[in-house]
Amino acid sequence: GAGVSQTPSNKVTEKGKYVELRCDPISGHTALYWYRQSLGQGPEFLIYFQGTGAADDSGLPNDRFFAVRPEGSVSTLKIQRTERGDSAVYLCASSQRAGSSYNEQFFGPGTRLTVL
Amino acid sequence: AQSVTQLDSHVSVSEGTPVLLRCNYSSSYSPSLFWYVQHPNKGLQLLLKYTSAATLVKGINGFEAEFKKSETSFHLTKPSAHMSDAAEYFCVVSGTGTALIFGKGTTLSVSS
Repeated sequence: GAGVSQTPSNKVTEKGKYVELRCDPISGHTALYWYRQSLGQGPEFLIYFQGTGAADDSGLPNDRFFAVRPEGSVSTLKIQRTERGDSAVYLCASSQRAGSSYNEQFFGPGTRLTVL
Repeated sequence: AQSVTQLDSHVSVSEGTPVLLRCNYSSSYSPSLFWYVQHPNKGLQLLLKYTSAATLVKGINGFEAEFKKSETSFHLTKPSAHMSDAAEYFCVVSGTGTALIFGKGTTLSVSS
């Protein structure tokens, strides 16, 4: 079946602009995660959704970052007033369930965001 | 709090020789541990996972890892490297929470 998809694959924007990054999880997966991977680093957790609600947003770096999942499927990560330091690959993952000791997450290919 | 430390940022091997990528973890409770691989311009792929069953875990493409609680280690091995194994490898820990915690990664280079 189809895996996790993310659009766009690449996004170039100017400092101060607003961007939206989209994630389509695997059908039937109730849990959805966003991570950010800076150059030369491992992915870092941003936010986790269980259904429509953000169950854990402790990884969001500041209030310029926001994410929604209004119907419990597709999610959008929104970044306001982008800064050059926001440049990274943004990864989305989904899993069948969360909060258990078995937490296999399936990752999308990522969106590479470049802020000029 | 959980964390993982990948002891080598870069490992170079020759094709046909064994691979060892080292990982130590820290967790206040029994963790779930994973190894993910990331090929250039491709998504993260799960290689194998440990979830408190057998301590020796076999994964895809001939990789395996052994959970050693006494050493808090979860090293990844493969008996014979292939050129296609060249990639970035991440050791990952997950407790009863939701987020995966990634190590900084180990770049595996394979020469012919």
